[in-house]
Amino acid sequence: RKEVEQDPGPFNVPEGATVAFNCTYSNSASQSFFWYRQDCRKEPKLLMSVYSSGNEDGRFTAQLNRASQYISLLIRDSKLSDSATYLCVVSGGGADGLTFGKGTHLIIQP
Amino acid sequence: ETGVTQSPTHLIKTRGQQVTLRCSSQSGHNTVSWYQQALGQGPQFIFQYYREEENGRGNFPPRFSGLQFPNYSSELNVNALELDDSALYLCASSLGTSGYDADTQYFGPGTRLTVL
Repeated sequence: RKEVEQDPGPFNVPEGATVAFNCTYSNSASQSFFWYRQDCRKEPKLLMSVYSSGNEDGRFTAQLNRASQYISLLIRDSKLSDSATYLCVVSGGGADGLTFGKGTHLIIQP
Repeated sequence: ETGVTQSPTHLIKTRGQQVTLRCSSQSGHNTVSWYQQALGQGPQFIFQYYREEENGRGNFPPRFSGLQFPNYSSELNVNALELDDSALYLCASSLGTSGYDADTQYFGPGTRLTVL
């Protein structure tokens, strides 16, 4: 059974702090990995793809460890607008669709 | 914005009724996937359509069915509605059926279905 496990939080973090999220996935055949952001009662929005070599987009850094089946997201210098639910997502490729974790709820406090 | 649109935005039905939800994919995308997101959960894959045929399906019963049209827009139909069908229904568009482009999916705003 394909699963993605995340700590649901909530993570309460002061503005300007660095916060890290992790998730694990069970399907070793997974091919693509993503972080999505979801605001309350809105659709998930693609935040970034995740690669074994690691990738960075501004204040956001994502990392994949295939051997440990572990994905991470680091947010530096957190802003109030970063408050959202962060969904860890994996794909087995093609017609199996995306498998989502339940999400980690982040609250940035002023 | 992703360019993926869905209608209606909200819908209230009663148990046993049938519902049809609609989705228009992003320009240039030929694959549409549908997801159900219950409160407090991540989205769950219902099925995917490519070239007007169901290309893959998650663990949902046959009363969940769909269509894709030549312009790549899609419908999700749910028969014999149950209380547990209350959820946010999301469609996502992508390009092709394999590889990174297929896996990179862009979501519409969703239809919130309430079953009473």
